[in-house]
Amino acid sequence: DAKTTQPPSMDCAEGRAANLPCNHSTISGNEYVYWYRQIHSQGPQYIIHGLKNNETNEMASLIITEDRKSSTLILPHATLRDTAVYYCIVTNFGNEKLTFGTGTRLTIIP
Amino acid sequence: GAVVSQHPSRVICKSGTSVKIECRSLDFQATTMFWYRQFPKQSLMLMATSNEGSKATYEQGVEKDKFLINHASLTLSTLTVTSAHPEDSSFYICSAMAGGTTDTQYFGPGTRLTVL
Repeated sequence: DAKTTQPPSMDCAEGRAANLPCNHSTISGNEYVYWYRQIHSQGPQYIIHGLKNNETNEMASLIITEDRKSSTLILPHATLRDTAVYYCIVTNFGNEKLTFGTGTRLTIIP
Repeated sequence: GAVVSQHPSRVICKSGTSVKIECRSLDFQATTMFWYRQFPKQSLMLMATSNEGSKATYEQGVEKDKFLINHASLTLSTLTVTSAHPEDSSFYICSAMAGGTTDTQYFGPGTRLTVL
């Protein structure tokens, strides 16, 4: 699986958009980008995933660059409940294994 | 949809005893379930992958005789920590995947194991 690089921590003001970057320069053509988040002492929560097109759901938007070497997760209107560790993971569809890195600790500030 | 539960949420046991943790997919059938372990201030580490009706596949360094995994049905997998010791104290998290076109893992809430 391709390795990902994320900033260790970020702050965002409540109500503003939180933009979380992820670099995955060694991603291969059949690998998807998945985002999960983990709130303290809970299991990870699935957020969104994509292959090459931008994706949006009720939780977030995922923007993948044209060369697929990086992506950005956007939480459009961050709330205090969005404070969590966010993990960007690349994996083959059907590979099943998820390798969790250290993620980005996002803190939403009132 | 895609709800995964774990039981118990928290367990404290004495050293040398065995502990069983259940993982259930509540609203879908999981062809594959995974068990992860997370130590304080660390990320999740995959322990093993189990497919319904077959033996689990363990990651390197995980003792299969110590961490017994059973995936007897499409909605239930169990992890038994045998002869637990204080170093086994950790946060154990399962995930389940339906497979097919919905190839996304959904995670349970985790089980906090403390071995005294």
